[in-house]
Amino acid sequence: GEDVEQSPFLSVREGDSSVINCTYTDSSSTYLYWYKQEPGAGLQLLTYIFSNMDMKQDQRLTVLLNKKDKHLSLRIADTQTGDSAIYFCAHAASGNTGKLIFGQGTTLQVKP
Amino acid sequence: NAGVMQNPRHLVRRRGQEARLRCSPMKGHSHVYWYRQLPEEGLKFMVYLQKENIIDESGMPKERFSAEFPKEGPSILRIQQVVRGDSAAYFCASSPGQSNEKLFFGSGTQLSVL
Repeated sequence: GEDVEQSPFLSVREGDSSVINCTYTDSSSTYLYWYKQEPGAGLQLLTYIFSNMDMKQDQRLTVLLNKKDKHLSLRIADTQTGDSAIYFCAHAASGNTGKLIFGQGTTLQVKP
Repeated sequence: NAGVMQNPRHLVRRRGQEARLRCSPMKGHSHVYWYRQLPEEGLKFMVYLQKENIIDESGMPKERFSAEFPKEGPSILRIQQVVRGDSAAYFCASSPGQSNEKLFFGSGTQLSVL
């Protein structure tokens, strides 16, 4: 199976941490990704994690991977209003081919 | 270095017309991917092309849709005899090779079928 599931909506207050969750079914995924889509724009790659890692940190972003539970999360520390966007989880369908399977996206709303 | 360029940004067609969507990959990128995003959904893979070759078209509808990436010029996604269900955002992405982590997306073409 290639399903990727995300909660549709998350609302946080400015300065709080945001945690966006994702579950997937394909255990053979080697790369897992987080993309950000702002209104009217294309997708911007935020970060990715290789499947043999369980955590990756990049400034305000922390990615956690629980391969046993097929669960991926993105934590945004000190969330800002500019972080308001749709966040997509994705994994590579097979190998390193650019064919990605996306979740339906989580809309993050940051309240001032 | 310009990013992935898609045009037009918005395209309106009446049912039965043809839609042609163009994508110019980033400079130095020879691999192009088309994705479709229906309202309230994530992106769905359609087709993967290299110059003059279709590598993987497993996500393309069997009829009315075609894609090309000629030796010169942009990649074209062509939809013949459009129907209302074709209304969606169509995104193009490019990479320098088979490289997921170097996949860059364009801003998309929003197709509206009246």
